[in-house]
Amino acid sequence: IAGITQAPTSQILAAGRRMTLRCTQDMRHNAMYWYRQDLGLGLRLIHYSNTAGTTGKGEVPDGYSVSRANTDDFPLTLASAVPSQTSVYFCASSFGSGQPQHFGDGTRLSIL
Amino acid sequence: GQSLEQPSEVTAVEGAIVQINCTYQTSGFYGLSWYQQHDGGAPTFLSYNALDGLEETGRFSSFLSRSDSYGYLLLQELQMKDSASYFCAVRDPGNMLTFGGGTRLMVKP
Repeated sequence: IAGITQAPTSQILAAGRRMTLRCTQDMRHNAMYWYRQDLGLGLRLIHYSNTAGTTGKGEVPDGYSVSRANTDDFPLTLASAVPSQTSVYFCASSFGSGQPQHFGDGTRLSIL
Repeated sequence: GQSLEQPSEVTAVEGAIVQINCTYQTSGFYGLSWYQQHDGGAPTFLSYNALDGLEETGRFSSFLSRSDSYGYLLLQELQMKDSASYFCAVRDPGNMLTFGGGTRLMVKP
């Protein structure tokens, strides 16, 4: 089934640890995005990639990094996790930037 | 930057019509999108308005007035399964989306 897959579905992590959230899509979408969702704040863009090999910063990029080595994969890395990064993280993709976005099921991350 | 305002919560009865408003302030605007998210689920795309007027998709319609920096989502013949959060989102000239805080719709029997 075509779609977008995130892993893990949930994780509890000690502060200071490094963590990579995985995101893979098989729809051959050019653009991919990472959002965090906190209660009452909606979705906030962390990083994005308009095409393989390029990335850009969103609204809340500090403490996060991304890479886009190929079309399908867009991992998000927390180099040294802090409790304020406790959130639900959604990966999304779209055929082109500006097109409707398709979201993964999210990763629920708790930093203790 | 962008800022969007929408009501935090709306309650309606099954079979009724409900309107969820969204006002925005933006430094650049290409269009307004709406997404639906059920509890514990992923956001799903509902509609997009780039021009003024009403767009209809089945029971859902979305309206935009660029001069008023205002839009709304209209849900008709409400069903229990429509209970969800609804987010408006502004598309900027860089093709990025900025989302509102969401409106939680509760449909009662």
